[in-house]
Amino acid sequence: KAGVTQTPRYLIKTRGQQVTLSCSPISGHRSVSWYQQTPGQGLQFLFEYFSETQRNKGNFPGRFSGRQFSNSRSEMNVSTLELGDSALYLCASSDRSGSGRLSYNEQFFGPGTRLTVL
Amino acid sequence: GIQVEQSPPDLILQEGANSTLRCNFSDSVNNLQWFHQNPWGQLINLFYIPSGTKQNGRLSATTVATERYSLLYISSSQTTDSGVYFCAVKPLNRDDKIIFGKGTRLHILP
Repeated sequence: KAGVTQTPRYLIKTRGQQVTLSCSPISGHRSVSWYQQTPGQGLQFLFEYFSETQRNKGNFPGRFSGRQFSNSRSEMNVSTLELGDSALYLCASSDRSGSGRLSYNEQFFGPGTRLTVL
Repeated sequence: GIQVEQSPPDLILQEGANSTLRCNFSDSVNNLQWFHQNPWGQLINLFYIPSGTKQNGRLSATTVATERYSLLYISSSQTTDSGVYFCAVKPLNRDDKIIFGKGTRLHILP
């Protein structure tokens, strides 16, 4: 099976702009999670989507949003970019079968999108 | 929320040496993964190990869920083992967020 793919791989934006990142999960996986990685804060959970529904959300401002399509592909959007949004954004997919504490399965990560905000 | 602590934060070893990386977590978990992040940022799955012991070549991992820790063993280190190693856990009794430790940065010298 093909792995998780993310586009674009690199992106340069200026403050105030908005950006949309895309993630295609492994075929058959219905859960997609997004993470932000920065040198100062490490890897932080942004949100998780399962069957087009947001299942969980991390502690990020409302400028960060996402969605999932019927084919499980997901996009995340960041509006009104700030310098501190510069980071590596990672997407992960899993074949999580539903909600609840016993439903989590192994996550597989994409190569990431490196966003630089100038 | 759950705390995930990895030690040591940094490790420098000569090629051929063995190492043990540790992941402590403060609450019960129902899943744990170890990853290796390469210099390009890709997170590579090493082990999916909520409990017990697994081995894959020169790498092995043990999770003792009742004592809230996991160990990653790397034997006969190679320069390609350099990078950052992360453990990630899913808390058992809380919401479904996955929590990552801050990682162990491993440098293998030729």
